[in-house]
Amino acid sequence: QKEVEQDPGPLSVPEGAIVSLNCTYSNSAFQYFMWYRQYSRKGPELLMYTYSSGNKEDGRFTAQVDKSSKYISLFIRDSQPSDSATYLCAMKDSGAGSYQLTFGKGTKLSVIP
Amino acid sequence: ETGVTQSPTHLIKTRGQQVTLRCSSQSGHNTVSWYQQALGQGPQFIFQYYREEENGRGNFPPRFSGLQFPNYSSELNVNALELDDSALYLCASRPGGPGETQYFGPGTRLLVL
Repeated sequence: QKEVEQDPGPLSVPEGAIVSLNCTYSNSAFQYFMWYRQYSRKGPELLMYTYSSGNKEDGRFTAQVDKSSKYISLFIRDSQPSDSATYLCAMKDSGAGSYQLTFGKGTKLSVIP
Repeated sequence: ETGVTQSPTHLIKTRGQQVTLRCSSQSGHNTVSWYQQALGQGPQFIFQYYREEENGRGNFPPRFSGLQFPNYSSELNVNALELDDSALYLCASRPGGPGETQYFGPGTRLLVL
């Protein structure tokens, strides 16, 4: 079993739809949770960053972390064609060692005009 | 733009050759990490450098090595290239502090024939 599981999709939605992306994980030591957006042939771009459990909202994006279920989500409201990309979840434990992120495989999202 | 730059953008090598990839960190960032992203996969942590010393390594063999320079720029060297080394190689930098996250460069796409 991989440490982080993410459905690779692809996921196709009409413009304006609410998109729900999620990851599950097995390592209970993970404390920091991130979502990255990656356009084709580009580096990942940080979208959301949360520490421990709870919700965080930034514009059309909402990140949720449920540590009891080892489950994180990213919601995109009023989705736009420009949101078409691969979305990667990433996690890190709270150890004092190296800043090592563990990623999911990524979910490929297409928003159709 | 994250301020992290990488060179070259693309590279073609043959099996058995050696390659050096370069990264210039964002200003003020003293920690740099390297990740390998195979096609259709999430990035995998190779190693991290902090103040010119390697202080964390993922599950990669010793033929993957690196350097960090006093100006915090960095190199990734791969010896004895194998076909499976074909991937996007990402550099990520971050400032000090336990809660700060990483910012990725655009990557170098390496093809090994």
